Amino acid sequence: GAGVSQTPSNKVTEKGKYVELRCDPISGHTALYWYRQSLGQGPEFLIYFQGTGAADDSGLPNDRFFAVRPEGSVSTLKIQRTERGDSAVYLCASSASGGNTGELFFGEGSRLTVL
Amino acid sequence: GQQVMQIPQYQHVQEGEDFTTYCNSSTTLSNIQWYKQRPGGHPVFLIQLVKSGEVKKQKRLTFQFGEAKKNSSLHITATQTTDVGTYFCAGRLNTGTASKLTFGTGTRLQVTL
Repeated sequence: GAGVSQTPSNKVTEKGKYVELRCDPISGHTALYWYRQSLGQGPEFLIYFQGTGAADDSGLPNDRFFAVRPEGSVSTLKIQRTERGDSAVYLCASSASGGNTGELFFGEGSRLTVL
Repeated sequence: GQQVMQIPQYQHVQEGEDFTTYCNSSTTLSNIQWYKQRPGGHPVFLIQLVKSGEVKKQKRLTFQFGEAKKNSSLHITATQTTDVGTYFCAGRLNTGTASKLTFGTGTRLQVTL
């Protein structure tokens, strides 16, 4: 596609439920990042994929959060037993180059609200 | 862990005034990027700085990377209402392997006529 696509754009769920957020990066981009952003804050790093593997998952807050990228393209962020504190905009970004350079192209984000 | 702070948190200027935001990292950076996020939008890449002391210009925007590669600044000359948004710096650690991009706390710019 022309840009990074994220679905759903909005998700409202109840505390304790399971949620999946999907990211479709720009075609050919090898690097994929997940961030989350709370109101008035900067994007907080969650996980970074280079190809199919997670190169750095140090930002995942706890074991309720998990992300996959099985074929090196689409990625899914999975959140188990959601809590109210998980409410945020989850941003996905992709980059043409891995390593230490390359601009990130962000999607519009998935706004998660946990009631 | 690595921390990236920005000041000020918020600035309100009148159109035509200059604006500067400062970015400071707790650790030496490999490179730094700047992004702009409009209200309700997503971050959009502006520029990347790699070399110590590097200065880059984009029209009315001037970006600097400090000599020690731990700080950076963005200066906007003669602001316009189209400059409204939040400006984030984002830094990568100075390591030999791929590393995450850590975003700063951001500076929200408001411009009025």
